[in-house]
Amino acid sequence: DAGVIQSPRHEVTEMGQEVTLRCKPISGHNSLFWYRQTMMRGLELLIYFNNNVPIDDSGMPEDRFSAKMPNASFSTLKIQPSEPRDSAVYFCASSLSVRSTYEQYFGPGTRLTVT
Amino acid sequence: EDKVVQSPLSLVVHEGDTVTLNCSYEVTNFRSLLWYKQEKKAPTFLFMLTSSGIEKKSGRLSSILDKKELSSILNITATQTGDSAIYLCAVRGYGNKLVFGAGTILRVKS
Repeated sequence: DAGVIQSPRHEVTEMGQEVTLRCKPISGHNSLFWYRQTMMRGLELLIYFNNNVPIDDSGMPEDRFSAKMPNASFSTLKIQPSEPRDSAVYFCASSLSVRSTYEQYFGPGTRLTVT
Repeated sequence: EDKVVQSPLSLVVHEGDTVTLNCSYEVTNFRSLLWYKQEKKAPTFLFMLTSSGIEKKSGRLSSILDKKELSSILNITATQTGDSAIYLCAVRGYGNKLVFGAGTILRVKS
């Protein structure tokens, strides 16, 4: 199994630019999660989807952030416009959310730097 | 608001030592508690605990949940330099959402 795949692995962009992060969950998993990790705030859940439907987006910091999951094998997290404080590592995770099986498997992350 | 607190924040030990990491939580409708290890990349899953008092074990690592005390511990015996990492505790309440603690940074010196 290839695991959760994220792209790009590193992104450096200038303030004000649009950034799109991509995620392919593990095949067969029905839940997908976007996290952000910084030294100051640790690992924070931004949004998660069940069966491609957004369930909880309360962690999305502002309207500049949006996420989509058009099908079971692909999701995007978009930041428009980006700001320096968005610099962080963004992780995507997936899980098979059936009874008693909820452990999440993380992708390698995208390290975003906004200058 | 659901909350997970880990202690200590960081720890330095020598190879061969035994360490105990702590996790306490406040969560509505507790379902499970999970431990992850994070080295210089993504968190990797270690254990999921749902029942109080039942130890989960994998090699030198073990973990137990105390629902009465709303806490869990992660033990690592005979530590090795490869155990150096951030150990994250997370709790699942209602739904599939995990709330993570800030983590414990463990450094094992040779």
